[in-house]
Amino acid sequence: GAVVSQHPSRVICKSGTSVKIECRSLDFQATTMFWYRQFPKKSLMLMATSNEGSKATYEQGVEKDKFLINHASLTLSTLTVTSAHPEDSSFYICSAQQGNPYEQYFGPGTRLTVT
Amino acid sequence: QKEVEQDPGPLSVPEGAIVSLNCTYSNSAFQYFMWYRQYSRKGPELLMYTYSSGNKEDGRFTAQVDKSSKYISLFIRDSQPSDSATYLCAMKGSGGSNYKLTFGKGTLLTVNP
Repeated sequence: GAVVSQHPSRVICKSGTSVKIECRSLDFQATTMFWYRQFPKKSLMLMATSNEGSKATYEQGVEKDKFLINHASLTLSTLTVTSAHPEDSSFYICSAQQGNPYEQYFGPGTRLTVT
Repeated sequence: QKEVEQDPGPLSVPEGAIVSLNCTYSNSAFQYFMWYRQYSRKGPELLMYTYSSGNKEDGRFTAQVDKSSKYISLFIRDSQPSDSATYLCAMKGSGGSNYKLTFGKGTLLTVNP
């Protein structure tokens, strides 16, 4: 149980285009979903927290107009990188929490490369 | 001072060795302590979690929390090549704005056959 999927696993896009990444909790309902960014050999950096049906809470320094988050249901959250630039290239990971504060389950990540 | 400090390694040990991984932290509000394992180009996998101080054992893994010293550890006994991964400590407070996980940088472990 407690499986989180992400799609796509890898995406290459041209500078200026937008990319959508999906995060799904497959066998549980996630009250809260988180989006992280991870640079090579660095730890996870929390970008935003989203609760189903409400606006996402963004961390300081994260542009909410560039990284659009939608949490339309208890099993799906999407992250859209708008007008992507090469500096947005990174590994994006989502996680989902059911309610137990211990248990935050991570997706497999999406490798974004902007050319 | 960063909230969570973790030696990034790399740490290389022979198969069968006992591995000790550690993190220190500065925020006394942290109550929940987790260890994640992350294989290359994959998402983190929750290994163990502990609430407040104490020890917890699960198979070859033992997690220890010493809140008085603000120090947590993960021990791996009889290490296997399949344990080779990056190990991330993470912690969070309880309630309110303390729901967010704060991660260490991760320690890269290699277990050599």
